[in-house]
Amino acid sequence: ETGVTQTPRHLVMGMTNKKSLKCEQHLGHNAMYWYKQSAKKPLELMFVYSLEERVENNSVPSRFSPECPNSSHLFLHLHTLQPEDSALYLCASSQGQAGSYEQYFGPGTRLTVT
Amino acid sequence: GQNIDQPTEMTATEGAIVQINCTYQTSGFNGLFWYQQHAGEAPTFLSYNVLDGLEEKGRFSSFLSRSKGYSYLLLKELQMKDSASYLCAVRDLNAGNNRKLIWGLGTSLAVNP
Repeated sequence: ETGVTQTPRHLVMGMTNKKSLKCEQHLGHNAMYWYKQSAKKPLELMFVYSLEERVENNSVPSRFSPECPNSSHLFLHLHTLQPEDSALYLCASSQGQAGSYEQYFGPGTRLTVT
Repeated sequence: GQNIDQPTEMTATEGAIVQINCTYQTSGFNGLFWYQQHAGEAPTFLSYNVLDGLEEKGRFSSFLSRSKGYSYLLLKELQMKDSASYLCAVRDLNAGNNRKLIWGLGTSLAVNP
């Protein structure tokens, strides 16, 4: 149990659907992250929130829309996705954003876009 | 730019020792992390190095040489449960901001009986 939960664990959606991924951390951390993990590629950082403020957006297409209503919850809203968006989406949190603060990851949502 | 290299796959025998190497090229190095990821599971933190030398934590040790842009993860007394992917990640102060880690592709380790 890492203290970071994600739902759903698996999601299959059509290209015209709208869905949301949810992440919750129970560790009292103040930074949260969305990553995309695809086969044969390194982890790709998508968004970073620090104290509920978005501090990084790595040129992610607008069909991915993050939301951080409080320091414990993070959402990723999905709409009009493409098949190449199929991947494992990982949420992570950390106590701080610098130095030795390690990131704690959730189990991920395996997304398949049909 | 930034670049991290680690072997794609390694195999070892239960009870043996294995060393997983990671080389990196960054302009603003500020720490290196090792994570373990079992298939279908979340990456979990193993170690952090920011100064040169060896950090030991039980059966796992991590070494860093900043001048060589080199780190290794040493796993002793291998167990079957150590079969996993091992990810090297570097914090680069020049990669946008120091919240961002640059990740390697990971090394898939198979431990055989």
